[in-house]
Amino acid sequence: DTAVSQTPKYLVTQMGNDKSIKCEQNLGHDTMYWYKQDSKKFLKIMFSYNNKELIINETVPNRFSPKSPDKAHLNLHINSLELGDSAVYFCASSQRQGTSYEQYFGPGTRLTVT
Amino acid sequence: KNQVEQSPQSLIILEGKNCTLQCNYTVSPFSNLRWYKQDTGRGPVSLTIMTFSENTKSNGRYTATLDADTKQSSLHITASQLSDSASYICVVRGSNYQLIWGAGTKLIIKP
Repeated sequence: DTAVSQTPKYLVTQMGNDKSIKCEQNLGHDTMYWYKQDSKKFLKIMFSYNNKELIINETVPNRFSPKSPDKAHLNLHINSLELGDSAVYFCASSQRQGTSYEQYFGPGTRLTVT
Repeated sequence: KNQVEQSPQSLIILEGKNCTLQCNYTVSPFSNLRWYKQDTGRGPVSLTIMTFSENTKSNGRYTATLDADTKQSSLHITASQLSDSASYICVVRGSNYQLIWGAGTKLIIKP
């Protein structure tokens, strides 16, 4: 069984649209994350959630909003998409809060904004 | 400024050969350092994690070293296999929950 899954794997959309990326983990972890990997391959953390509570919110535009219906899911909603949002978005989870715990990553969602 | 720099940017070697990837960091205070393997089109997978007191750690054919004084780490791959073709990313934990990611080294193993 897949530990951390994301849907869709590919997403192509036009500027100005609103889209969501879903993430689910079946590891029973307390903390989930969203990362953005840009064209230069750097991964930058966007959000993390611990038991439905936002604990890190890096300087991302407020067009991006994480939504966690339960501990196993952390979805990413993006409003008014821009060309610069094109990237690969990774969901991850860890057993508990804190970067000492290993993070398990999903397969990524490649978002292309045209 | 907290940074993680990796070298080389890319590397091509023949199957069966050894190689060493480098990671230099300026992150302070330092908590731990991880090496990840990222296959094309997949998420990163952790290979090793090293704390301040650890100098060497092995995971099969992968051996990571850490010199906390010079703020350098290396990842040595022995007897490379085609499946080792991937990007290898060095990640350093700084203060609070901050993880500083390097850009990675793209390794290509040729038969």
